[in-house]
Amino acid sequence: DSGVTQTPKHLITATGQRVTLRCSPRSGDLSVYWYQQSLDQGLQFLIQYYNGEERAKGNILERFSAQQFPDLHSELNLSSLELGDSALYFCASSRMVGDRSEAFFGQGTRLTVV
Amino acid sequence: AQTVTQSQPEMSVQEAETVTLSCTYDTSENNYYLFWYKQPPSRQMILVIRQEAYKQQNATENRFSVNFQKAAKSFSLKISDSQLGDTAMYFCAFLLSGSRLTFGEGTQLTVNP
Repeated sequence: DSGVTQTPKHLITATGQRVTLRCSPRSGDLSVYWYQQSLDQGLQFLIQYYNGEERAKGNILERFSAQQFPDLHSELNLSSLELGDSALYFCASSRMVGDRSEAFFGQGTRLTVV
Repeated sequence: AQTVTQSQPEMSVQEAETVTLSCTYDTSENNYYLFWYKQPPSRQMILVIRQEAYKQQNATENRFSVNFQKAAKSFSLKISDSQLGDTAMYFCAFLLSGSRLTFGEGTQLTVNP
């Protein structure tokens, strides 16, 4: 168990709909990252938050948005869903431990758009 | 911006043998962190090993070890005594503190019986 919790694990929804994916980072981790992984593809970086503020943005569509709340959990909102949005969405969190850094992943949310 | 390159899309090895996966990266920073992640067919992302750039000593975790060459910006993963359960996609990753975690394209490793 990495300590990063993602819900739901699986999600099936129709085109045009909107969904929210949730991520609870490990206790004490300030950074949260979102990644999209389509079948047989690498990890596409979407967005990073650090202590509530957006820190970096990757290839995130305008239909997608995210935020990190004061308790440090994060949500990724996907709207106007298309078939091509079907993918595994990962959340990761990281921290500095003394002079070391470590990053762990949640189990992912498998989104299927039908 | 940092980039990570894994030049071997696929590799295979016989059970009990040793295999090395390559990774190079590009950065102008001096303090950073490097990781290897394993993604088995279950698609869970599992941290295999990590290396702090300020440490000259190569990290080792049981059968997994790295060859970290800071000047060459190279970070290869060596798997000794390969096991069938090592079959997975392996991703090399770069982390700058407070910044994004950047991944390579991945190397699909198959361990053959």
